[in-house]
Amino acid sequence: DSGVTQTPKHLITATGQRVTLRCSPRSGDLSVYWYQQSLDQGLQFLIQYYNGEERAKGNILERFSAQQFPDLHSELNLSSLELGDSALYFCASTRTSGIRETQYFGPGTRLLVL
Amino acid sequence: AQKITQTQPGMFVQEKEAVTLDCTYDTSDQSYGLFWYKQPSSGEMIFLIYQGSYDEQNATEGRYSLNFQKARKSANLVISASQLGDSAMYFCAMREGKGDTGRRALTFGSGTRLQVQP
Repeated sequence: DSGVTQTPKHLITATGQRVTLRCSPRSGDLSVYWYQQSLDQGLQFLIQYYNGEERAKGNILERFSAQQFPDLHSELNLSSLELGDSALYFCASTRTSGIRETQYFGPGTRLLVL
Repeated sequence: AQKITQTQPGMFVQEKEAVTLDCTYDTSDQSYGLFWYKQPSSGEMIFLIYQGSYDEQNATEGRYSLNFQKARKSANLVISASQLGDSAMYFCAMREGKGDTGRRALTFGSGTRLQVQP
């Protein structure tokens, strides 16, 4: 158990809908990273938050957004969903953004868009 | 150019034998970190081992060791005494050191599926 929790584990929804994925980092970790794992794109970085502020964006679509709350949990919002958004969404956390910091991953949320 | 290249889509190994999973990387940074993660069929990403670019010795963690050849830009994972539970996808990842913290997100390779045979 990495100490990172994600809910829900599975999500099935329809095209055009909006969903929210939730992540709670390890105790004491300030930084949260979101990743998407899909069959065609592999594992790719979406967005990073550090202590409540957005720090960096990767290949995140404009239909997607995220935030980190004062208690450091983070939510990833996916809207106007398309079939191609079906993927496994991970969050990972670290205490800082130091080069040696290991990112510990949550169990992931498996999203299926029908 | 790919930042992380894993050229072996699939590998087979006999139980109790050692196996090497290849990883080459591309960066212009002097300071970077290399990570290996294991993803079993259940889907979670499990951290295995870390190697820093300035580390003089190859990293080891139990049955896992990292064969780090900086000049060749390779960071191969060696699993000794393979077990059936080692069957999984294995991902090599890099974290670059310079610039903004966005570059400290991990860049992953495409993975190698390892199957351990009894």
